[in-house]
Amino acid sequence: NAGVMQNPRHLVRRRGQEARLRCSPMKGHSHVYWYRQLPEEGLKFMVYLQKENIIDESGMPKERFSAEFPKEGPSILRIQQVVRGDSAAYFCASSPLEGQGEGTYEQYFGPGTRLTVT
Amino acid sequence: AQSVTQPDIHITVSEGASLELRCNYSYGATPYLFWYVQSPGQGLQLLLKYFSGDTLVQGIKGFEAEFKRSQSSFNLRKPSVHWSDAAEYFCAVGAVPTGRRALTFGSGTRLQVQP
Repeated sequence: NAGVMQNPRHLVRRRGQEARLRCSPMKGHSHVYWYRQLPEEGLKFMVYLQKENIIDESGMPKERFSAEFPKEGPSILRIQQVVRGDSAAYFCASSPLEGQGEGTYEQYFGPGTRLTVT
Repeated sequence: AQSVTQPDIHITVSEGASLELRCNYSYGATPYLFWYVQSPGQGLQLLLKYFSGDTLVQGIKGFEAEFKRSQSSFNLRKPSVHWSDAAEYFCAVGAVPTGRRALTFGSGTRLQVQP
């Protein structure tokens, strides 16, 4: 059973370009979360999505950042007009769908995408 | 809002010695608590979790953690550390009663293991 997949693993963008990060959740999972980890810091929540719905985007910067999780295909985190401060590791996590049981709160993380803005 | 404090940024222990990593949380109700481990350049692996019930929880790789409500703590322990345990460890809290699923992470503790 494949885990959470993220690609690319490393991404280099020049200032002003767009970055697209992809995340495929574990099989059977339909909740996706995006977190950002700045150097020497812990992970900070950005956004929580279910298929075709953004449930909680309280951690997303108001400008330049957007996320989607379409009915088909991976979840995408999009950063427009990147700046040096966007350089970080971006992690995706997924959790199971069914009900509100405790297991649905376990989050399984992908390997991350390391974004470098030059 | 909930918060997590990991007071020790960096800890060094000798191989075979015991280990305790501290985690304190701030939250108004009983939270869900997690410990994750991150090896360099890798993602996070779930070590163990506390939802309810027995306050001493066992995890993978020989780790355990104890939930102490009176101290708002969830410290991670291992009786005998192996060189392969060198990594960064993150404590996280989930604010379940609100239904909010986002995890709040501490800033991490980097563990070095000396031979």
